[in-house]
Amino acid sequence: EDQVTQSPEALRLQEGESSSLNCSYTVSGLRGLFWYRQDPGKGPEFLFTLYSAGEEKEKERLKATLTKKESFLHITAPKPEDSATYLCAVQGGSGTYKYIFGTGTRLKVLA
Amino acid sequence: NAGVTQTPKFRVLKTGQSMTLLCAQDMNHEYMYWYRQDPGMGLRLIHYSVGEGTTAKGEVPDGYNVSRLKKQNFLLGLESAAPSQTSVYFCASSFSPGTLYGYTFGSGTRLTVV
Repeated sequence: EDQVTQSPEALRLQEGESSSLNCSYTVSGLRGLFWYRQDPGKGPEFLFTLYSAGEEKEKERLKATLTKKESFLHITAPKPEDSATYLCAVQGGSGTYKYIFGTGTRLKVLA
Repeated sequence: NAGVTQTPKFRVLKTGQSMTLLCAQDMNHEYMYWYRQDPGMGLRLIHYSVGEGTTAKGEVPDGYNVSRLKKQNFLLGLESAAPSQTSVYFCASSFSPGTLYGYTFGSGTRLTVV
């Protein structure tokens, strides 16, 4: 069964304190792994797509990496405006339109 | 560009009542989706559409119906609301399934069924 597990559930960081969020997945034939940011009361906002192990993508203070079993979202020197819930999703080969979303990591960056 | 617009933003229904949630996108996307988001659970796909006039069932379709009469609009209907349908509903659209550019989501409809 396709599955996505994100950890930790919640994370509190001081401004400037770098850390990583984890997304472990089990899927038949990975087509893509996706990271989204969700602010309270809003819909998810697309950040990255990763397609194969070893691939990396960067955007400002965020860097996403992918292995055969997990993905990491590295946050370097975070700022309070990085506070949000970060969602991971995978798309497997069993269903073209089926994303499996994780439950997210709630990140709080303190000034 | 407005992106994906959902109406209404909030709604309270009594058990057994019906309602329609409207999703409109102005990006000329072919693919549209309806998801629900519940505490402690990931986003779950209700129904989706791969183009005007098409619809298909997702992971949790029971109790919902959809229609896509125009390319820019995707409607989600609840014929007889139940408390289990209390949730936040998100509409999304994309150029193609699982794309380099991901999905564009609306801001959601918070539905409470009492």
